[in-house]
Amino acid sequence: GDSVTQMEGPVTLSEEAFLTINCTYTATGYPSLFWYVQYPGEGLQLLLKATKADDKGSNKGFEATYRKETTSFHLEKGSVQVSDSAVYFCALSERGNQFYFGTGTSLTVIP
Amino acid sequence: KAGVTQTPRYLIKTRGQQVTLSCSPISGHRSVSWYQQTPGQGLQFLFEYFSETQRNKGNFPGRFSGRQFSNSRSEMNVSTLELGDSALYLCASSRAAGSSYNEQFFGPGTRLTVL
Repeated sequence: GDSVTQMEGPVTLSEEAFLTINCTYTATGYPSLFWYVQYPGEGLQLLLKATKADDKGSNKGFEATYRKETTSFHLEKGSVQVSDSAVYFCALSERGNQFYFGTGTSLTVIP
Repeated sequence: KAGVTQTPRYLIKTRGQQVTLSCSPISGHRSVSWYQQTPGQGLQFLFEYFSETQRNKGNFPGRFSGRQFSNSRSEMNVSTLELGDSALYLCASSRAAGSSYNEQFFGPGTRLTVL
């Protein structure tokens, strides 16, 4: 069945450091891929998405490229800020609105 | 435009009781999905409703059920509560069903504690 494997956390970085959070997936067909972010006490917010192979999703300085050959969708940001501290979830959707989420990666950025 | 709202935000119940959670989607959204979030299992899909019909269902026991009303508001019910049902229950709405391109908008969740 479909599944998402996400890099274990927690991750702690200094402000302006480079961020990578790894995400790989297993799917039977051609899923859409998503990164969601969850700030403390809030629900999930869509950060970016890609709907087909080689698509690059980007938002707020974050980027992720849909790599079909490696079944990956790694999240990157060149220079993190304290305000980026949150939990990040990789997800896929292959069939309607049934999403499969990774376990989440907690990111803390220190000044 | 108002976001997805969930009520109540916090609930404390005891084993064996039942509970009903409510979700109001964004205006114009007709699809509502429910998820259970726990530290051990992460986010797991419960079910999705569209136009008052359940379209997809995750791998949860029959104690978990839901429904959707004609105004797209949805309720989720858990009967015979167990300690393991303690979780954050998230509701998400989207404009349509049947497409993996849809963005889901999440509510803040209902924190259920079972004692």
